Amino acid sequence: AQSVTQPDIHITVSEGASLELRCNYSYGATPYLFWYVQSPGQGLQLLLKYFSGDTLVQGIKGFEAEFKRSQSSFNLRKPSVHWSDAAEYFCAVGDQTGANNLFFGTGTRLTVIP
Amino acid sequence: DTGVSQDPRHKITKRGQNVTFRCDPISEHNRLYWYRQTLGQGPEFLTYFQNEAQLEKSRLLSDRFSAERPKGSFSTLEIQRTEQGDSAMYLCASSTGTGREGYTFGSGTRLTVV
Repeated sequence: AQSVTQPDIHITVSEGASLELRCNYSYGATPYLFWYVQSPGQGLQLLLKYFSGDTLVQGIKGFEAEFKRSQSSFNLRKPSVHWSDAAEYFCAVGDQTGANNLFFGTGTRLTVIP
Repeated sequence: DTGVSQDPRHKITKRGQNVTFRCDPISEHNRLYWYRQTLGQGPEFLTYFQNEAQLEKSRLLSDRFSAERPKGSFSTLEIQRTEQGDSAMYLCASSTGTGREGYTFGSGTRLTVV
């Protein structure tokens, strides 16, 4: 069965510091992988996605993620965090059959300190 | 196109009352999804439509829940005889159905059952 694990519930970084959010997935085939960001009380915005090809994908707002099949990971990175990046981040794996459901992790809350 | 719209943004209701939420997807998207998100969790799949057909329902969707998508355009999600456990954010998303692009989410409807 598909599943996503985000081991870090809450991360605090200083503005300007680098960021890495971890995501591990379980899926029987080559997965479709996504990172979404959610500001308080808002819906989810797609940051980036992977479904094939280059394992390093670039997204919006300066984010990137790397797909590592051997580690079943899809970690999100940003070289320099801005205060506006404070939000909840969700990793998701997409079911490639039927409904194409997304299975989400429990999220990582990012706090940015000045 | 202004994206996926959900109405209302917030709903407070007394236990036992019925509530209905509306979602207007991106017009060219033939797939529409409903997800539920409780505090501290990632979104969980409830149901999805391809055009007007409801093709899959999660076990989370009890008999008190019903969803429709007449004419394959907007969708409604009704909860009958609400319970306190129904308090959550209800998210709607739409997609073109290939599974590769992820979804576009609305801002959600926050339901509070008192």
